[in-house]
Amino acid sequence: GESVGLHLPTLSVQEGDNSIINCAYSNSASDYFIWYKQESGKGPQFIIDIRSNMDKRQGQRVTVLLNKTVKHLSLQIAATQPGDSAVYFCAEKESGYALNFGKGTSLLVTP
Amino acid sequence: SQTIHQWPATLVQPVGSPLSLECTVEGTSNPNLYWYRQAAGRGLQLLFYSVGIGQISSEVPQNLSASRPQDRQFILSSKKLLLSDSGFYLCAWSFQGNTEAFFGQGTRLTVV
Repeated sequence: GESVGLHLPTLSVQEGDNSIINCAYSNSASDYFIWYKQESGKGPQFIIDIRSNMDKRQGQRVTVLLNKTVKHLSLQIAATQPGDSAVYFCAEKESGYALNFGKGTSLLVTP
Repeated sequence: SQTIHQWPATLVQPVGSPLSLECTVEGTSNPNLYWYRQAAGRGLQLLFYSVGIGQISSEVPQNLSASRPQDRQFILSSKKLLLSDSGFYLCAWSFQGNTEAFFGQGTRLTVV
């Protein structure tokens, strides 16, 4: 089936810098997108979502951008903190189907 | 508020033994329910999802099966485990429609 993938498997940033995690998807019928954060040994936690009728959505320190033309999704984390270190997954969903996850990007925040 | 319970947290089973992982959701009715598997350092692979009692969709052919005997109970089973069944199993639920999925804390299964 169609897949969701990530551009970079690992990302290292300094504390206080902004982080950008990218994701490409291939299913043009996907109309809902989510970013999850997963800490070691735990289940994924919801960060932020966006629907296909939007191109930007902001949360607390996080922003998700959606470019449907090139099927690209990004997660921006402002003022990255040590607690942000985790694996981040993008997921896409076509109406009537289950969430499809990408492989994940490991974010490491260094002091 | 809604909560999801998944147990056990860790499990070590011999090859050829049966498996039963249970997941229950509280605080909502008629949720979508999911079983995912995650290999070390990898993404989440959808195994089964259910939109209602007795309605199970299988995404990956394998020696695992799922059942939904009650509205908020989802069970992952195997009659005979293989070494390749080792992994991190995650149960999740969502409201009907396009909404986020909420995950349990997972079960670390090691088949020896």
